[in-house]
Amino acid sequence: DGGITQSPKYLFRKEGQNVTLSCEQNLNHDAMYWYRQDPGQGLRLIYYSQIVNDFQKGDIAEGYSVSREKKESFPLTVTSAQKNPTAFYLCASSIQYEKLFFGSGTQLSVL
Amino acid sequence: DAKTTQPNSMESNEEEPVHLPCNHSTISGTDYIHWYRQLPSQGPEYVIHGLTSNVNNRMASLAIAEDRKSSTLILHRATLRDAAVYYCILRNPFQGGSEKLVFGKGTKLTVNP
Repeated sequence: DGGITQSPKYLFRKEGQNVTLSCEQNLNHDAMYWYRQDPGQGLRLIYYSQIVNDFQKGDIAEGYSVSREKKESFPLTVTSAQKNPTAFYLCASSIQYEKLFFGSGTQLSVL
Repeated sequence: DAKTTQPNSMESNEEEPVHLPCNHSTISGTDYIHWYRQLPSQGPEYVIHGLTSNVNNRMASLAIAEDRKSSTLILHRATLRDAAVYYCILRNPFQGGSEKLVFGKGTKLTVNP
């Protein structure tokens, strides 16, 4: 079945540690996105990519980094510079300007 | 970016219709109205979208006001599985930056058995 796979479902980060969240899609979509969601809040855009080897900062990119080496993959690294990383992270993909398909999310917590 | 305003929460009874409102008074002529919903602990899913005319699909109906300053998502018979946060979003495919959707807090719908 086509879709978006995020892993892991739960992730714990120690202070000063970088962690990477995986996002893979087999929908052949050009565009991919990373959102952050805090409890009771809406989604905030971290980074997005419209094509391989290109990506743009969203509204809250500080403390995060991404890469887009393959069309299917858009990993997100939460660096030690992100002082408040605890949140629910959502990856999405789309054909440009069409509807977004979301993964099931990764819950990141700080130990 | 054109903004939307939704009630924080609404409540409905099972098997009754639900009308979820959205105000977008600054909408431009080429803004599409999109609705997504997010079930607990899951990613959002697309529900429906439209430009000017009312739209129907298997999940819901979208009623758009004649002046397009407001719209209503209609669930014809609410079920317990419809309990979710519903997001109303504007998207303009002809405007730079519209590749990123802006999600507000949405409306949390509670469905009572």
